[in-house]
Amino acid sequence: ETGVTQTPRHLVMGMTNKKSLKCEQHLGHNAMYWYKQSAKKPLELMFVYNFKEQTENNSVPSRFSPECPNSSHLFLHLHTLQPEDSALYLCASSQDLGERQLFGPGTRLTVL
Amino acid sequence: DAKTTQPPSMDCAEGRAANLPCNHSTISGNEYVYWYRQIHSQGPQYIIHGLKNNETNEMASLIITEDRKSSTLILPHATLRDTAVYYCIVGSTGTASKLTFGTGTRLQVTL
Repeated sequence: ETGVTQTPRHLVMGMTNKKSLKCEQHLGHNAMYWYKQSAKKPLELMFVYNFKEQTENNSVPSRFSPECPNSSHLFLHLHTLQPEDSALYLCASSQDLGERQLFGPGTRLTVL
Repeated sequence: DAKTTQPPSMDCAEGRAANLPCNHSTISGNEYVYWYRQIHSQGPQYIIHGLKNNETNEMASLIITEDRKSSTLILPHATLRDTAVYYCIVGSTGTASKLTFGTGTRLQVTL
């Protein structure tokens, strides 16, 4: 049973669209993460936030823009994506950096 | 780069113990060994972690060798619901932390 929720669960968008993915946790966790999982590839860490401050950007293209307005919410804003950006996008949180991470169910994104 | 090596796949009969090995020969003194699993199309699930002592919880046991260069995750009585990809990850705590997932071991539990 997960305490991390993600919406939407599925998203289909065109390359010119702008959309946002939302992640929410009310566990009191201070660290939140975005991961990308493409077909047949390992999970890739995209962004890390600790106490609302971004601590890591793993060379992610600027068409992905994260936002952390408070320690309970994390957004991933999407703009002019490419078909190869189609993947499962996973959010996770942990009490503090480096502690065990609790993952959400993910958003399955398809870019047409 | 993932700092661990795992077999790509393993089979286990239902009811038997599943022993999943992991090599992490370059592990640093302050790095923990974490195990997660991912059932198809779901988010990864934390299983267990340890530093140097063996650990056990309601899901599994973790055996870490004395030199800490390898470990084994043990599912004592595997069920069909344990079919998943199991990831062994090493990482430290605090601001230097970063979990790097490799390709894991695909465990298939069969009747």
